[in-house]
Amino acid sequence: QSALTQPASVSGSPGQSITISCTGTSSDVGGYNYVSWYQQHPGKAPKLMIYEVSNRPSGVSNRFSGSKSAYTASLTISGLQAEDEANYYCSSYTSSSTVVFGGGTKLTVL
Amino acid sequence: QLQLQESGPGLVKPSETLSLTCSVSGGSISTSSYYWGWIRQPPGKGLEWIGNIYYSGSSYYNPSLKSRVTISVDTSKNQFSLKLSSVSAADTAVYLCARVMWQIYDGELRLHAFDIWGQGTMVTVSS
Repeated sequence: QSALTQPASVSGSPGQSITISCTGTSSDVGGYNYVSWYQQHPGKAPKLMIYEVSNRPSGVSNRFSGSKSAYTASLTISGLQAEDEANYYCSSYTSSSTVVFGGGTKLTVL
Repeated sequence: QLQLQESGPGLVKPSETLSLTCSVSGGSISTSSYYWGWIRQPPGKGLEWIGNIYYSGSSYYNPSLKSRVTISVDTSKNQFSLKLSSVSAADTAVYLCARVMWQIYDGELRLHAFDIWGQGTMVTVSS
Protein backbone atom coordinates (compact mmCIF):
# COMPACT_ATOMS: atom_id res chain seq x y z
CA GLN A 1 0.00 0.00 0.00
CA SER A 2 1.32 3.45 -0.91
CA ALA A 3 1.26 6.38 1.48
CA LEU A 4 -1.37 9.04 0.93
CA THR A 5 -0.01 12.23 -0.67
CA GLN A 6 0.21 15.40 1.40
CA PRO A 7 2.09 18.65 0.72
CA ALA A 8 5.35 18.75 2.64
CA SER A 9 4.62 22.15 4.10
CA VAL A 10 2.02 24.90 4.32
CA SER A 11 2.10 28.24 6.08
CA GLY A 12 -0.21 31.01 7.12
CA SER A 13 -0.43 34.09 9.30
CA PRO A 14 -2.34 34.27 12.57
CA GLY A 15 -6.06 34.68 11.96
CA GLN A 16 -5.92 33.31 8.43
CA SER A 17 -7.28 29.99 7.19
CA ILE A 18 -5.22 27.21 5.66
CA THR A 19 -6.09 23.93 3.99
CA ILE A 20 -4.03 20.75 3.89
CA SER A 21 -4.83 18.21 1.20
CA CYS A 22 -4.55 14.43 1.34
CA THR A 23 -4.79 12.53 -1.94
CA GLY A 24 -5.32 8.81 -2.29
CA THR A 25 -6.98 6.34 -4.62
CA SER A 26 -10.27 4.55 -5.08
CA SER A 27 -8.97 1.89 -2.68
CA ASP A 28 -8.67 4.25 0.24
CA VAL A 29 -9.70 7.93 0.39
CA GLY A 30 -11.94 7.73 -2.67
CA GLY A 31 -13.64 4.53 -1.64
CA TYR A 32 -14.51 5.16 2.00
CA ASN A 33 -15.56 7.92 4.37
CA TYR A 34 -12.95 6.88 6.91
CA VAL A 35 -10.37 9.64 6.66
CA SER A 36 -8.78 10.86 9.89
CA TRP A 37 -6.47 13.76 10.67
CA TYR A 38 -3.84 13.95 13.41
CA GLN A 39 -1.88 16.85 14.89
CA GLN A 40 1.61 16.15 16.21
CA HIS A 41 3.78 18.63 18.03
CA PRO A 42 7.55 17.86 18.15
CA GLY A 43 8.36 15.13 20.64
CA LYS A 44 4.69 14.46 21.38
CA ALA A 45 2.23 11.74 20.45
CA PRO A 46 -0.25 12.43 17.64
CA LYS A 47 -3.67 13.78 18.59
CA LEU A 48 -6.85 12.86 16.70
CA MET A 49 -8.41 16.03 15.28
CA ILE A 50 -10.91 14.70 12.72
CA TYR A 51 -12.38 11.25 12.05
CA GLU A 52 -14.78 9.89 9.44
CA VAL A 53 -13.86 12.80 7.12
CA SER A 54 -15.51 15.58 9.08
CA ASN A 55 -16.27 14.57 12.67
CA ARG A 56 -14.48 16.29 15.54
CA PRO A 57 -13.74 14.41 18.76
CA SER A 58 -14.92 16.03 21.96
CA GLY A 59 -12.58 18.82 23.00
CA VAL A 60 -11.21 19.63 19.54
CA SER A 61 -11.71 23.25 18.52
CA ASN A 62 -14.34 23.96 15.88
CA ARG A 63 -11.63 25.89 14.02
CA PHE A 64 -10.66 22.49 12.64
CA SER A 65 -12.86 21.04 9.91
CA GLY A 66 -12.58 18.24 7.38
CA SER A 67 -14.05 17.47 3.98
CA LYS A 68 -13.60 15.16 1.02
CA SER A 69 -14.07 15.32 -2.73
CA ALA A 70 -13.38 12.28 -4.89
CA TYR A 71 -9.89 11.02 -4.02
CA THR A 72 -8.80 14.07 -2.00
CA ALA A 73 -9.57 14.84 1.62
CA SER A 74 -8.87 18.23 3.17
CA LEU A 75 -8.24 19.62 6.62
CA THR A 76 -9.04 23.31 7.07
CA ILE A 77 -7.87 25.33 10.05
CA SER A 78 -9.54 28.70 10.42
CA GLY A 79 -8.46 31.57 12.65
CA LEU A 80 -4.91 30.26 12.66
CA GLN A 81 -3.16 30.44 16.04
CA ALA A 82 0.46 30.05 17.04
CA GLU A 83 -0.26 26.78 18.84
CA ASP A 84 -1.54 25.26 15.60
CA GLU A 85 2.05 25.08 14.36
CA ALA A 86 2.71 21.34 14.16
CA ASN A 87 2.90 18.40 11.80
CA TYR A 88 -0.40 17.08 10.45
CA TYR A 89 -1.04 13.58 9.16
CA CYS A 90 -4.02 12.13 7.38
CA SER A 91 -4.96 8.47 7.36
CA SER A 92 -7.53 6.30 5.63
CA TYR A 93 -9.07 2.88 5.90
CA THR A 94 -8.29 0.79 2.81
CA SER A 95 -9.94 -1.95 0.81
CA SER A 96 -7.38 -4.41 2.20
CA SER A 97 -8.76 -3.90 5.72
CA THR A 98 -5.66 -1.93 6.59
CA VAL A 99 -4.83 1.65 7.48
CA VAL A 100 -2.54 3.94 5.48
CA PHE A 101 -1.08 7.28 6.58
CA GLY A 102 -0.07 10.31 4.59
CA GLY A 103 3.52 11.50 4.56
CA GLY A 104 2.74 14.45 6.82
CA THR A 105 2.53 18.23 6.39
CA LYS A 106 4.47 20.76 8.43
CA LEU A 107 2.32 23.78 9.25
CA THR A 108 4.20 26.99 9.97
CA VAL A 109 2.41 29.94 11.54
CA LEU A 110 4.21 33.03 10.29
CA GLN B 1 -9.31 8.60 31.99
CA LEU B 2 -7.87 5.95 29.72
CA GLN B 3 -4.10 5.94 29.40
CA LEU B 4 -1.69 3.82 27.35
CA GLN B 5 1.98 3.28 28.17
CA GLU B 6 4.57 1.54 26.04
CA SER B 7 7.48 -0.34 27.58
CA GLY B 8 10.39 -2.47 26.42
CA PRO B 9 14.08 -2.42 25.51
CA GLY B 10 15.37 0.75 23.90
CA LEU B 11 18.16 -1.05 22.08
CA VAL B 12 17.87 -4.20 19.96
CA LYS B 13 20.61 -5.93 17.97
CA PRO B 14 20.23 -6.50 14.22
CA SER B 15 18.54 -9.81 13.29
CA GLU B 16 17.01 -10.12 16.78
CA THR B 17 13.39 -9.70 17.82
CA LEU B 18 11.96 -6.40 19.06
CA SER B 19 9.42 -6.89 21.87
CA LEU B 20 7.23 -4.14 23.30
CA THR B 21 4.22 -4.04 25.60
CA CYS B 22 1.42 -1.49 25.85
CA SER B 23 -0.23 -1.29 29.27
CA VAL B 24 -3.76 0.09 29.39
CA SER B 25 -4.98 1.87 32.54
CA GLY B 26 -8.21 3.63 33.42
CA GLY B 27 -10.29 1.19 31.38
CA SER B 28 -10.53 -2.40 30.25
CA ILE B 29 -8.81 -3.78 27.19
CA SER B 30 -11.63 -6.34 26.98
CA THR B 31 -14.16 -3.79 25.78
CA SER B 32 -16.09 -4.68 22.63
CA SER B 33 -16.02 -1.06 21.53
CA TYR B 34 -12.42 -0.76 20.40
CA TYR B 35 -9.45 -2.47 18.83
CA TRP B 36 -5.87 -1.75 19.92
CA GLY B 37 -3.02 -0.86 17.61
CA TRP B 38 0.68 -0.25 17.04
CA ILE B 39 2.12 2.54 14.90
CA ARG B 40 5.77 3.53 14.42
CA GLN B 41 7.61 6.68 13.38
CA PRO B 42 11.26 6.64 12.21
CA PRO B 43 13.27 9.65 13.34
CA GLY B 44 12.25 12.72 11.36
CA LYS B 45 9.76 10.76 9.26
CA GLY B 46 6.04 10.05 9.10
CA LEU B 47 3.73 7.56 10.74
CA GLU B 48 3.50 3.92 9.65
CA TRP B 49 0.68 1.62 10.74
CA ILE B 50 1.92 -1.75 12.03
CA GLY B 51 -1.23 -3.61 13.05
CA ASN B 52 -4.34 -3.86 15.23
CA ILE B 53 -5.76 -6.46 17.62
CA TYR B 54 -9.09 -7.12 19.36
CA TYR B 55 -9.37 -8.44 22.91
CA SER B 56 -10.44 -11.78 21.44
CA GLY B 57 -7.13 -12.01 19.57
CA SER B 58 -8.39 -11.14 16.09
CA SER B 59 -5.65 -9.16 14.36
CA TYR B 60 -4.79 -7.23 11.19
CA TYR B 61 -1.28 -6.38 9.99
CA ASN B 62 0.44 -4.05 7.54
CA PRO B 63 1.19 -6.25 4.51
CA SER B 64 4.72 -4.86 4.28
CA LEU B 65 5.50 -6.07 7.82
CA LYS B 66 3.17 -9.04 8.12
CA SER B 67 5.83 -11.72 7.75
CA ARG B 68 7.77 -10.33 10.73
CA VAL B 69 5.04 -9.02 13.05
CA THR B 70 3.02 -10.66 15.80
CA ILE B 71 0.60 -8.70 17.98
CA SER B 72 -0.92 -10.44 20.98
CA VAL B 73 -3.20 -9.51 23.85
CA ASP B 74 -3.20 -10.45 27.55
CA THR B 75 -6.55 -9.50 29.01
CA SER B 76 -5.55 -10.64 32.52
CA LYS B 77 -2.82 -7.99 32.57
CA ASN B 78 -4.77 -5.43 30.50
CA GLN B 79 -1.91 -5.33 28.02
CA PHE B 80 -1.18 -5.98 24.39
CA SER B 81 2.21 -6.66 22.86
CA LEU B 82 4.23 -6.31 19.68
CA LYS B 83 6.95 -8.61 18.41
CA LEU B 84 8.93 -7.70 15.30
CA SER B 85 11.46 -10.29 14.18
CA SER B 86 14.67 -10.05 12.13
CA VAL B 87 15.07 -6.35 12.79
CA SER B 88 17.45 -4.08 10.94
CA ALA B 89 18.44 -0.42 11.19
CA ALA B 90 15.35 0.40 9.12
CA ASP B 91 13.21 -0.62 12.09
CA THR B 92 14.70 2.11 14.29
CA ALA B 93 11.73 4.27 15.28
CA VAL B 94 9.47 5.57 17.99
CA TYR B 95 6.86 2.88 18.56
CA LEU B 96 3.42 4.05 19.68
CA CYS B 97 0.38 2.15 20.85
CA ALA B 98 -3.15 3.47 20.45
CA ARG B 99 -6.85 2.72 20.86
CA VAL B 100 -8.58 2.07 17.55
CA MET B 101 -12.10 3.07 16.54
CA TRP B 102 -14.03 0.61 14.39
CA GLN B 103 -17.32 0.18 12.59
CA ILE B 104 -19.22 -2.56 10.80
CA TYR B 105 -20.49 -1.31 7.44
CA ASP B 106 -21.91 -3.45 4.65
CA GLY B 107 -20.91 -6.47 6.73
CA GLU B 108 -17.27 -5.38 6.68
CA LEU B 109 -15.16 -4.55 9.72
CA ARG B 110 -13.55 -1.16 9.27
CA LEU B 111 -10.76 -0.09 11.65
CA HIS B 112 -10.27 3.54 10.94
CA ALA B 113 -9.05 6.02 13.57
CA PHE B 114 -6.69 6.12 16.53
CA ASP B 115 -8.29 8.21 19.25
CA ILE B 116 -6.05 7.72 22.30
CA TRP B 117 -2.29 7.31 22.06
CA GLY B 118 0.58 6.34 24.31
CA GLN B 119 3.56 8.69 24.54
CA GLY B 120 5.73 6.36 22.45
CA THR B 121 9.01 4.59 23.11
CA MET B 122 12.19 4.93 21.05
CA VAL B 123 13.75 1.70 19.83
CA THR B 124 17.16 1.74 18.21
CA VAL B 125 18.44 -1.22 16.22
CA SER B 126 22.22 -1.32 16.49
CA SER B 127 24.98 -3.74 17.37
